Amino acid sequence: QLQLQESGPGLVTPSETLSLTCTVSGGSIRSDSSYYWGWIRQPPGKGLEWIGNIHHNGITSYNTSLESRATISVDTSNNQFSLELTSVTAADTAVYYCARMIVTAIYKDYFDFWGQGALVTVSS
Amino acid sequence: QSVLTQPPSVSAAPGQKVSIPCSGGSSNIGNSYVSWYQQLPGTAPKLLIYDNNKRPSGIPDRFSGSKSGTSATLGITGLQTGDEADYYCGTWDSSLSAFVFGTGTKVTVL
Repeated sequence: QLQLQESGPGLVTPSETLSLTCTVSGGSIRSDSSYYWGWIRQPPGKGLEWIGNIHHNGITSYNTSLESRATISVDTSNNQFSLELTSVTAADTAVYYCARMIVTAIYKDYFDFWGQGALVTVSS
Repeated sequence: QSVLTQPPSVSAAPGQKVSIPCSGGSSNIGNSYVSWYQQLPGTAPKLLIYDNNKRPSGIPDRFSGSKSGTSATLGITGLQTGDEADYYCGTWDSSLSAFVFGTGTKVTVL
């Protein structure tokens, strides 16, 4: 069974960079060309917001609402992918989830496996 | 503000049926496949429905999905107390070039 686990600091200072890593176990990040690896966040008491995805070949896509502050990278040798979010503010306080996206055709995609989530608080 | 609109809450008695609508537009639901996610309190979202109406292995057939035009609907029959959760629709938006989630609906079993 595929498992995803987020890790990283739970507290980040305003204006600094939030960094999280997702470790994938029970399967390879490179095992299928239809797999993309994504980050989604959820502010306390609010809904889900897609941050972006990466393919094992390095191709990325991002939510433009984050104004280019997000960068997702992949480390296939360690079966991990990571998120960096720069210039954070209190509005970036959220539970951050990593998840696998299946893309079977254009506009035909969904998230089938999710990590348990990591709460990141932005505060001085 | 999400481009996919859901009612904040729906409720019904145990054993009854609820329907959760997800309203979008031509750039998202209108030309993309819809998925649905269940988020039990304090847990990560879980895939319930993909490709508009398909259920992953292990999801009971009490859960169903449908799509018509620019709207999608999640149906839950034989409502159980364990179904109390937040439910989100999701799809790709070709105008935003982004995966978008609905505003979320809280299901309460009376």
